[in-house]
Amino acid sequence: GQQLNQSPQSMFIQEGEDVSMNCTSSSIFNTWLWYKQDPGEGPVLLIALYKAGELTSNGRLTAQFGITRKDSFLNISASIPSDVGIYFCAGQGTTDSWGKLQFGAGTQVVVTP
Amino acid sequence: DGGITQSPKYLFRKEGQNVTLSCEQNLNHDAMYWYRQDPGQGLRLIYYSQIVNDFQKGDIAEGYSVSREKKESFPLTVTSAQKNPTAFYLCASSFLEKLFFGSGTQLSVL
Repeated sequence: GQQLNQSPQSMFIQEGEDVSMNCTSSSIFNTWLWYKQDPGEGPVLLIALYKAGELTSNGRLTAQFGITRKDSFLNISASIPSDVGIYFCAGQGTTDSWGKLQFGAGTQVVVTP
Repeated sequence: DGGITQSPKYLFRKEGQNVTLSCEQNLNHDAMYWYRQDPGQGLRLIYYSQIVNDFQKGDIAEGYSVSREKKESFPLTVTSAQKNPTAFYLCASSFLEKLFFGSGTQLSVL
């Protein structure tokens, strides 16, 4: 299946800085999801977005569903060491069945003190 | 605790050997999935099952097989036909559009 274009591929940031990453697709999505994966573990759902323009926060995380329904971004404010990990975007297209998601390649976040 | 349990955490396969990865869930979800993850890449769908006794091929099903005899269980067999099996394998179940993942199995070739 088609993979989403996720950028940047990796980020090296200092503790306290803000982080921003995004995903784009050539097709329209009904749902955008953002996951975080710690080393050697499975991804954990951070935020789910369901309609164009929606802006949702979860603590220091904020994500938005793009107006065109073809993109989404995730922001992390005031990063801390435990924010280290790989962040994946995932989307459900208009013809995909429930739970059958397309995934971006991930953004590796490294936080230095 | 409700969740998805994958075992073993680490598995080694010899040349020509079939190996089976276990996945059990107690979330009462109908749908279950197997994904393969290679370093620096996103997740690729191997097989999925939306109901007991039924399953469909994903994007990279060649060299893999599955069964779904019980709602709670969705084991994945990596056959000898899979020539590049070294990867991190993730099992998931879903409620509507949300996927919930197990902690993964790292498969390596001896």
